[in-house]
Amino acid sequence: QQNVQQSPESLIVPEGARTSLNCTFSDSASQYFWWYRQHSGKAPKALMSIFSNGEKEEGRFTIHLNKASLHFSLHIRDSQPSDSALYLCADDTNAYKVIFGKGTHLHVLP
Amino acid sequence: EAAVTQSPRNKVAVTGGKVTLSCNQTNNHNNMYWYRQDTGHGLRLIHYSYGAGSTEKGDIPDGYKASRPSQENFSLILELATPSQTSVYFCASGGGLGGGAEQFFGPGTRLTVL
Repeated sequence: QQNVQQSPESLIVPEGARTSLNCTFSDSASQYFWWYRQHSGKAPKALMSIFSNGEKEEGRFTIHLNKASLHFSLHIRDSQPSDSALYLCADDTNAYKVIFGKGTHLHVLP
Repeated sequence: EAAVTQSPRNKVAVTGGKVTLSCNQTNNHNNMYWYRQDTGHGLRLIHYSYGAGSTEKGDIPDGYKASRPSQENFSLILELATPSQTSVYFCASGGGLGGGAEQFFGPGTRLTVL
């Protein structure tokens, strides 16, 4: 069965740090990947997507995808307290549903 | 931007009672989903739908029913609520179908079953 594993479960970093969040997926045929961000008490909201091997940058956020190693990651440059949230990675290749990881709780200390 | 609304936002129910959670989306998405979110479990899929009149079981359907009477509306029904169903429930639309489309979430319903 397809699944997505996230690490670490929780992360505490100082303001200004570079933060890395990781996901591994189980299906080598997977090709569509998303990161969602969920602030406390709010709904998850899509942050970024990547559909081909390599890197994609949007502002302070960068996604890496390596299909051969079944791994994709989110990197945050110059982390801000407002980045504190639950980050969910997702594999949206399945024909019926989105496969979500359990999430990484990020805390950025001012 | 896609709009998904849920009602009620908060609900307290008694064990054995019937609970209906409602979801409405205004973006003409075919796919709609119901998830529950609990600490340590992430988002777990309960039921989903491909369009009006269709409902499909997700990963944890036991104790839940779903109804999709129209393109816009998708309901989650707990016929006999139990304390183990205390959770935050999210409705979502879009995504799925293996095409990599974004999924849009409603604001959530916090359900407490006493």
